[in-house]
Amino acid sequence: GAVVSQHPSRVICKSGTSVKIECRSLDFQATTMFWYRQFPKQSLMLMATSNEGSKATYEQGVEKDKFLINHASLTLSTLTVTSAHPEDSSFYICSARDPAGREPTGELFFGEGSRLTVL
Amino acid sequence: RKEVEQDPGPFNVPEGATVAFNCTYSNSASQSFFWYRQDCRKEPKLLMSVYSSGNEDGRFTAQLNRASQYISLLIRDSKLSDSATYLCVVNYNTDKLIFGTGTRLQVFP
Repeated sequence: GAVVSQHPSRVICKSGTSVKIECRSLDFQATTMFWYRQFPKQSLMLMATSNEGSKATYEQGVEKDKFLINHASLTLSTLTVTSAHPEDSSFYICSARDPAGREPTGELFFGEGSRLTVL
Repeated sequence: RKEVEQDPGPFNVPEGATVAFNCTYSNSASQSFFWYRQDCRKEPKLLMSVYSSGNEDGRFTAQLNRASQYISLLIRDSKLSDSATYLCVVNYNTDKLIFGTGTRLQVFP
């Protein structure tokens, strides 16, 4: 079963509204979670690293005031797309690292993704 | 130049065929390497890590060439269920993964 759960899986909103996406680690505590965005036929692009109890670290070119990230607990991170525009339409995926995972650095598990469509 | 480059494909192969994908990376300081599989409109899932000595997991063999900065994935005896996009992933430190655009594989009967 999924070890990282993301909700909602699909959302359609009007331009100018805000949308919140939740990412939960189900079987482990994640001090760090990652938010990616994927446009059609393109690679996953890391948007930001979400750190529990502190500010997120944003990648170059990602507006922190537009993509608000909150990591209030060890199992939950949220991404809020504020004042959404059609160009924000994309597939947003969160991930978390399980320190006990099979990778040398801890396996990275992905949420199911959230497909955002802004009209 | 992209940090991680892959041939997007698609690779169309019959069942039972052997197919190989290559991936090149630009940063020689890269530390860890992985292949992820992504089905259409789904999240990526770890297929296997790639070690310098090469490693095998069933029908899948991964190899790393640090001198030439490329990674390969070999799939033997292809199954219909292998149809997916295979993402080459490079890690510079413990937190940041860099994804290639993926190589699409289509296995036909």
